Amino acid sequence: DTGVSQNPRHKITKRGQNVTFRCDPISEHNRLYWYRQTLGQGPEFLTYFQNEAQLEKSRLLSDRFSAERPKGSFSTLEIQRTEQGDSAMYLCASSLPGQSYNEQFFGPGTRLTVL
Amino acid sequence: AQTVTQSQPEMSVQEAETVTLSCTYDTSESDYYLFWYKQPPSRQMILVIRQEAYKQQNATENRFSVNFQKAAKSFSLKISDSQLGDAAMYFCAYRGQGAQKLVFGQGTRLTINP
Repeated sequence: DTGVSQNPRHKITKRGQNVTFRCDPISEHNRLYWYRQTLGQGPEFLTYFQNEAQLEKSRLLSDRFSAERPKGSFSTLEIQRTEQGDSAMYLCASSLPGQSYNEQFFGPGTRLTVL
Repeated sequence: AQTVTQSQPEMSVQEAETVTLSCTYDTSESDYYLFWYKQPPSRQMILVIRQEAYKQQNATENRFSVNFQKAAKSFSLKISDSQLGDAAMYFCAYRGQGAQKLVFGQGTRLTINP
């Protein structure tokens, strides 16, 4: 399967712990996006990379959140000092340059539960 | 800031019938893209159909078509000959011409009754 992959698929943690998620985009996709989806809502944009450069960050991305894409391939999203409000599905997407409509291909997501 | 509104939290339709999902959006831009994404239960989101705002012709993809009314800022999705596999959450999304991020609506849960 050459789609976007995300690991882990599920993460349960206690409040105050740090968690890290990984996203592997479709190969040759140089754009990578992180979204957060809470129950019953649509995804909300968090951040966007083009190659290794983080070009846009949402105000939703507080200083407890950090994302990296060190070699322009996979990306990690870390949440420090987790809070119960961080419980959500974290979605990663990637896209290929050169398309005017810039279709974003989504991964299966990582579901985070903070106890 | 752009917003997308889906006013129907849930819809249901009989198998083989036609259903229309509503979406409205707010923007001051003239060039943008609109999308409908499908998110099946416990599965990843996939693109169903897209529409470029500069195109007057409504997009169609097999059983899926849109009614794009630019002046009214409306972008509805019509699913013809509904199938059991169409059951999912459907999200309407907006992307500005110069932007990368998608702005999503709240979603509509579609149930197909056999």
